[in-house]
Amino acid sequence: GAGVSQSPSNKVTEKGKDVELRCDPISGHTALYWYRQSLGQGLEFLIYFQGNSAPDKSGLPSDRFSAERTGGSVSTLTIQRTQQEDSAVYLCASSDFHGTGNQPQHFGDGTRLSIL
Amino acid sequence: AQKVTQAQTEISVVEKEDVTLDCVYETRDTTYYLFWYKQPPSGELVFLIRRNSFDEQNEISGRYSWNFQKSTSSFNFTITASQVVDSAVYFCALSEAGRSQGNLIFGKGTKLSVKP
Repeated sequence: GAGVSQSPSNKVTEKGKDVELRCDPISGHTALYWYRQSLGQGLEFLIYFQGNSAPDKSGLPSDRFSAERTGGSVSTLTIQRTQQEDSAVYLCASSDFHGTGNQPQHFGDGTRLSIL
Repeated sequence: AQKVTQAQTEISVVEKEDVTLDCVYETRDTTYYLFWYKQPPSGELVFLIRRNSFDEQNEISGRYSWNFQKSTSSFNFTITASQVVDSAVYFCALSEAGRSQGNLIFGKGTKLSVKP
C-alpha cells in the first residue's frame, strides 16, 4: 500500500514568510508524528497526534510553529514568520495506535525547507 | 534522562567486510523499545528492527544481526559481508512506554560508507 506522503518535497522561501507543510499518513494509522532533521541538532521530535488530538505541544520550538490534523488523517505543520534557523528537513511519520509507544513509525520522504 | 548515543560518527569499510554499529541508551523506564532505522542518500528513513526491553534474544535477518544487552544498555547492529548498497546513515532510537507520546529519541547517527 501507499506509504507516508509529504508535500512539497522542497520549499524555498524568504525569511518572514509563512509556510505550510503537509503530511498524508498511511491509511488507518491513528498516530502521526512530526520530526525535524538538521545538521546541528540531528532528529528532533516536534509533535504527536493521536487521532486529531495533540496532547502535548511542548516539543514545538517556538510559538511560530503550529500543527493540526483533520479527519484523523492529513496533518499540516505551519511555520509563521520563518527564520533562517527553521531551515531543515521536516519529516512526518505514522504508526498504528501505539498504546505504549512500541509500534514502528513509518516515515515519509520529508520536506526540505530552505529559508533565504 | 533518556538518551541514545552512537559514538561512531562515520565508518568506512571495504565491501565484504563485517561492520558493527554501536548504540548505547539511557532510560529510567523498565519498559522501553529500541529501533534501528536506515537513511540512504535518497533521504527516507527506513525501519529495520524493533526490540522490546523484555526480549534480549539476538536477532538475525539475512546479513543483518542485532545484539541487545541490557547489562551494558547497548543495542548494537552488525552487517556481515557489507555491500555498497549498505552505504547510508544508520540511526538507533529509543521509545519509552511511560512516555505518553511514544515519540522516538534518536541518536546522532552513524554514516557508513562501503567502498567497492
